[in-house]
This record gives sequence, C-alpha cells and structure tokens, in this order.
Amino acid sequence: NAGVMQNPRHLVRRRGQEARLRCSPVKGHSHVYWYRQLPEEGLKFMVYLQKENIIDESGMPKERFSAEFPKEGPSILRIQQVVRGDSAAYFCASSPPSYTEAFFGQGTRLTVV
Amino acid sequence: AQRVTQPEKLLSVFKGAPVELKCNYSYSGSPELFWYVQYSRQRLQLLLRHISRESIKGFTADLNKGETSFHLKKPFAQEEDSAMYYCALRGQGAQKLVFGQGTRLTINP
Repeated sequence: NAGVMQNPRHLVRRRGQEARLRCSPVKGHSHVYWYRQLPEEGLKFMVYLQKENIIDESGMPKERFSAEFPKEGPSILRIQQVVRGDSAAYFCASSPPSYTEAFFGQGTRLTVV
Repeated sequence: AQRVTQPEKLLSVFKGAPVELKCNYSYSGSPELFWYVQYSRQRLQLLLRHISRESIKGFTADLNKGETSFHLKKPFAQEEDSAMYYCALRGQGAQKLVFGQGTRLTINP
C-alpha cells in the first residue's frame, strides 16, 4: 500500500519561473490537502480538494498560486512567477471521505534562486 | 480564530527521564486534537488523537478543555523518541488541520 507520493522531492527554480508540484494520494483516497511550511514555522493549510473540485482554498495566496485535482492523475500545485519568499517545503496529504486520518507525503522542498 | 501553540521549539531530556511536550489551543467549540511526529528523513505520521484515547509508543495525551491544552507525555524517554513533534487541531465539521510550530525533541543517552 503505497503512501502519498510527492514529486519532485527537491525543486530549484529561478525567480520568475513556474513551479509544478505533484501529489499522488493513497489509492482510494478522494480528498487531498496541500500545506506549506516556511523555514522555522509550522505547517500552514493552503487548499483542500476533492476530485475535480476545490473545496476550501482559504489558505492559498490570492495571486500566482493554483491547485487542481483532476479526475485522472495526480493533484498539482502550481506556482507562477516564483519569488524568493515561495521557498518552502510543500506537503500534500490525503484522506478517505470518512477522514479517519490524514496521510502525509514526504514533501517537496522548493528553492527559489 | 483557531490557533495551536507549542511554546518550546527545542526540548532536550536524558534517556529514561519523563517527557512532556506542551500544546495549547484556541478554538471556540469542540475541536479534535492530534499529535503528529516526524522522525529524521521520514514523512509526518500520526502519533495519536484525543478521541481514541490510546497510548502509542508509550506516549499519552489528555485533552484538558478547561486549560485548552493537549500535552504529550511519556514517563521514560527512549533515544528513538528523538524527532519533531507537531500538535494539530481540526475544527468541528472541518477537514483542514491547524498545526503548531513544532517541538524538536532530543533524547540524550
């Protein structure tokens, strides 16, 4: 039973480029969550998605950030025109509809140079 | 506003000594509280949740609604307990977790 898979594990982007982070949930899980961890801080909620729907995006920055969870394929967190302040660890989690537990991926560490 | 506070960023104790990692929360209602642990080079994993009232790896945590606390305790620390510990809250009817800043626990031999 593979856990939540995130790729890439490490991503380096120059300022102004786009970053695409992928998350494949646990098989059978239809709920996906994205969290961001800035240096020296805890995880902060960004967005909650179900297949083809964004349920709660209250933690997403208003500009440059978007997320999707298509019917087929992984969930994608997309950051356009990255800036140095976007450097962080981005974690994805998934859960079944009953939400007994959220399972986390190993994270993608984004570095903007 | 929902908030989780872990006042200690770093905590160091000797092997065999008792451990207490503090967690206080702010929430107007009945939240669900969790402790997550992240061992070196591993993913975040659930350690325990208050509704199950179980003991995992010797750790326990009691929800104190009067003090709005959910401290994590273990009577005798072991070296393999060294890790990053996060307290988290889930509000009623919500799906997202609100995390504290984490406490890095180091168990000295």
